[in-house]
This record gives sequence, structure tokens and C-alpha cells, in this order.
Amino acid sequence: EPEVTQTPSHQVTQMGQEVILRCVPISNHLYFYWYRQILGQKVEFLVSFYNNEISEKSEIFDDQFSVERPDGSNFTLKIRSTKLEDSAMYFCASRGGMANTGELFFGEGSRLTVL
Amino acid sequence: GDSVTQMEGPVTLSEEAFLTINCTYTATGYPSLFWYVQYPGEGLQLLLKATKADDKGSNKGFEATYRKETTSFHLEKGSVQVSDSAVYFCALSVLTGGGNKLTFGTGTQLKVEL
Repeated sequence: EPEVTQTPSHQVTQMGQEVILRCVPISNHLYFYWYRQILGQKVEFLVSFYNNEISEKSEIFDDQFSVERPDGSNFTLKIRSTKLEDSAMYFCASRGGMANTGELFFGEGSRLTVL
Repeated sequence: GDSVTQMEGPVTLSEEAFLTINCTYTATGYPSLFWYVQYPGEGLQLLLKATKADDKGSNKGFEATYRKETTSFHLEKGSVQVSDSAVYFCALSVLTGGGNKLTFGTGTQLKVEL
């Protein structure tokens, strides 16, 4: 069964360092998303991406964040200068086209720890 | 804006007990409704969904009915098992032209004990 894969599963970094989280969405999907979940809190929307551009972003997704689909398969989230409060589980998700019911398929997450 | 409200957890039940986790929503459009489950140490998995009023989603013994009149999508299971221990998230999605996103509730932790 097709699945969304994410790497790394866990990354530890120093405050101020750049981090790139990688995702390989399901191959025929068109819409891509990043969510985050701070430990013990709700799952929060960060950004959605369609047709090689950001279609929506939340207020969390400030200038320190960026997304890219560099090669038609990977979908990356970059945090330029990490802060302590960026420590969270980051989930990538994808879904199919407009005929889809809106169901998102999630990866298993990348846990980011900022020290 | 769109929002989802879930009952607070944790919910602790004995095995074979009846489970209800309440979920209500507000949405500007006509949403699809979902329950996602997160088992310990794992990612989010779709448990069930419903795309229109009066639809009933079901999976693994769990059920939820899309009630437009009460804007609710309560999750139920007749007899829970220890393996059902997880965090359950109610979510909605409104299909529009672009980056439809899922809006999640805060999650409800379920603990099932022997």
C-alpha cells in the first residue's frame, strides 16, 4: 500500500541551526502539507502546497520556514534558524486530486528536538 | 473560521466498556469529517470518515455519524480493547479550490485497562 515516508525520524539540533525535514509523498498525489504537534498539544497546520507553490499557510509559518519540492518526488520543510519552541513532531501529509474526499495520508513524523 | 471541539481527556475505561468521544464542529462550508488515531510512538492514521450528512463512517468496530443538525460527529465503540489505547483526533476538511487543509481537534487520549 502506498505510504508517505519521512526522514529523519528524529533530529537533535542546536538553537540557531538550520534544519531540513524530508518527505516523500504518495506518488500520484497533488497536494502536500506540513503539520506539527508540540508534545501533548494539538496537531497544527503549517502549510499546504499545490502546483509548485504555497496555497495556504498558518501564522506559525513565518519567514524562518520554507518548503520546496525540488525534484518532483521529495517535499521538504526547512527551518532556517531553529528556536527552542520549534521542538515538535512534524508530520508530512499528501492527498489526491479534487475528486478526493479530503482525506490526508500522513507520514510517521519527524521529531525535532532543539537544544 | 473552521474549528473542531472534542471532549477533554484522558478517558479511562475497562476492557469491553462502551466508548463515546464527543466531537462538534463549526465550518464555513460543507465539510467532510474524519477521525484519526495516533497510537503511542506512531503517526496519524485515518480511522474513519464521512463526507455528507447522515453518512456513517465505520472501521475496526468504531462508528461515527455525520449529524448536520447538531454539527456533531461523535465516535463510538461498543466494546473497547486494550489495543484501542491511543489518542483520537476529530478533524474536518472543507473542499475548496486550493490547499484544503484538515482542521484538528485537540485530541482525546483513551486508556483501556484490563
